[in-house]
Amino acid sequence: SSELTQDPAVSVALGQTVRITCQGDSLRSYYASWYQQKPGQAPVLVIYGKNNRPSGIPDRFSGSSSGNTASLTITGAQAEDEADYYCNSRDSSGNHPFGGGTQLTVL
Amino acid sequence: EVQLVESGGGLVQPGRSLRLSCVASGFTFADYAMHWVRQAPGKGLEWVSGISWNSGSIAYVDSVKGRFTISRDNAKNSLYLQMNSLRVEDTALYYCAKDMGIAVAGTIQHWGQGTLVTVSA
Repeated sequence: SSELTQDPAVSVALGQTVRITCQGDSLRSYYASWYQQKPGQAPVLVIYGKNNRPSGIPDRFSGSSSGNTASLTITGAQAEDEADYYCNSRDSSGNHPFGGGTQLTVL
Repeated sequence: EVQLVESGGGLVQPGRSLRLSCVASGFTFADYAMHWVRQAPGKGLEWVSGISWNSGSIAYVDSVKGRFTISRDNAKNSLYLQMNSLRVEDTALYYCAKDMGIAVAGTIQHWGQGTLVTVSA
């Protein structure tokens, strides 16, 4: 199955650490990529591969993976990190399923 | 700077057709796979289709197979999505997206701002 499952909503206190998870069978074979989307804006890639950040993404964002679960961790969450986060993977057929998204609230 | 500019969206009746276009700039278009991703109003992201750098490999989400066709013209730095037999559930903001590599099974890296498709009677 190519389905990816995320918790619909997560909250974190300002400056604390939060982990957003993504589960799916395809994650046993492929790394997840993670996207941040703020209201009215296009998604932005924040993590890809084993744990790679595109240029311009703060180092408080990190990724990890174990078995069928991928995680995005924000260490020292900032107010500007409040957004929707989506995981994405791929399968051998070239499909690219997205998770349902996690709405992150920074308190 | 990578720029992806979509066009062609609009209001269309169920069963009709629409063709989306995406013009790319700021990178060598022919060297990268490309994708279409959509987002229904208030909903999450859904990958729709992807095409490799040379159009040799193409993939679609099951819900659009047989109705949508992705194509590209490397000489015009352009990506297309021909959408036939449109359904109400195809209503969404359609994003053009650039991959990090040449293959369809890559990582989606850059996104356009999207073009809105509304399917309604």
